[in-house]
Amino acid sequence: RKEVEQDPGPFNVPEGATVAFNCTYSNSASQSFFWYRQDCRKEPKLLMSVYSSGNEDGRFTAQLNRASQYISLLIRDSKLSDSATYLCVVNIEGGTASKLTFGTGTRLQVTL
Amino acid sequence: DAGVIQSPRHEVTEMGQEVTLRCKPISGHNSLFWYRQTMMRGLELLIYFNNNVPIDDSGMPEDRFSAKMPNASFSTLKIQPSEPRDSAVYFCASSQTAFEAFFGQGTRLTVV
Repeated sequence: RKEVEQDPGPFNVPEGATVAFNCTYSNSASQSFFWYRQDCRKEPKLLMSVYSSGNEDGRFTAQLNRASQYISLLIRDSKLSDSATYLCVVNIEGGTASKLTFGTGTRLQVTL
Repeated sequence: DAGVIQSPRHEVTEMGQEVTLRCKPISGHNSLFWYRQTMMRGLELLIYFNNNVPIDDSGMPEDRFSAKMPNASFSTLKIQPSEPRDSAVYFCASSQTAFEAFFGQGTRLTVV
């Protein structure tokens, strides 16, 4: 089983739609969680951290369920500029080091 | 700060040749990661360093791959000899432990 699993998509949604992505992780010792965004032929960049209580940043909402070991990302009122690949990231910390493990990403295409 | 700097941006080489990829992390960051990205396998962690010490190299595909971090401001990933299946985008990223990882723009490697 992969350490971090995501549905690869693509998710094709019209502008204005709400779309949700899920991600599951296998290591219960995972301690911090992130969503990254990667545009075509670019490097990944942090979209938002995921906190246990859930957190929101504008149209984006991230949720963490430790019991079920999954993370979600909700995008409301999708824009054309949201088209990208969304990567779920899990951080396993040991001592002074941390290991960031990425899912393979979920591709989103927002259309007119 | 200029961010994570990788060189070269593109590399085309013949099978059997040695390839060296270079990375300069963000000053003050104590963790450095090397990732490989392909369409089939997504973003794979090859190796990561903490305070210049390799912590986990279990992702290095085989003995042809080696990585060094002689000081806090420089790291190399070497492939010798290179093979066509090594063709991918190689990303270097740096972070302060447990915080956001910043990626370089990547090196697109093509082995013919």
